[in-house]
Amino acid sequence: GDSVTQMEGPVTLSEEAFLTINCTYTATGYPSLFWYVQYPGEGLQLLLKATKADDKGSNKGFEATYRKETTSFHLEKGSVQVSDSAVYFCALTSGGSNYKLTFGKGTLLTVNP
Amino acid sequence: DAGVTQSPTHLIKTRGQQVTLRCSPKSGHDTVSWYQQALGQGPQFIFQYYEEEERQRGNFPDRFSGHQFPNYSSELNVNALLLGDSALYLCASSLKGRDHQPQHFGDGTRLSIL
Repeated sequence: GDSVTQMEGPVTLSEEAFLTINCTYTATGYPSLFWYVQYPGEGLQLLLKATKADDKGSNKGFEATYRKETTSFHLEKGSVQVSDSAVYFCALTSGGSNYKLTFGKGTLLTVNP
Repeated sequence: DAGVTQSPTHLIKTRGQQVTLRCSPKSGHDTVSWYQQALGQGPQFIFQYYEEEERQRGNFPDRFSGHQFPNYSSELNVNALLLGDSALYLCASSLKGRDHQPQHFGDGTRLSIL
């Protein structure tokens, strides 16, 4: 079945540091890949997505590239801010966007000023 | 443009009781999915409703059931509550047939079982 493996947290960085959160996946067919972010006490917000190999999703300075050869979708940001502190989830769907989402366990990011 | 709304925000129940959670999808969406997020874990898919029928189901027992109404809103019912049912329950909506469009999530209902 489908599965997502994320880098274990928590991750603690200083403001303006470089961020990488690793994500690898196992899926049937050609999945769509997503990064969702969850701020304290809130639901999930879509951060970025990629629907086919070599696509790069980007939003708010975050980027991730769909790498089919390594089955990876690592999240990166060049300079993090305190406001980026949240839990980040890598997810996939392998049957079109209306199909169920399979999530990783999440990575807690704390950015200190 | 109203997003996904869920009610109630918080709920406390005791073991053996039954609970109903409610979800209104984002305007223009017709498909509702429910997820269970245990503390410190990623969301787990429970089931999805489209055209008032359950279309997909995750690995959850029959104690978990749902319903979708003609206006696309949905309910999640859980019977014979167990301590392990304590979690954040998330509703997500989407539009059938619109591939590559992401599911939109509500803020969830926090269910605590005593």
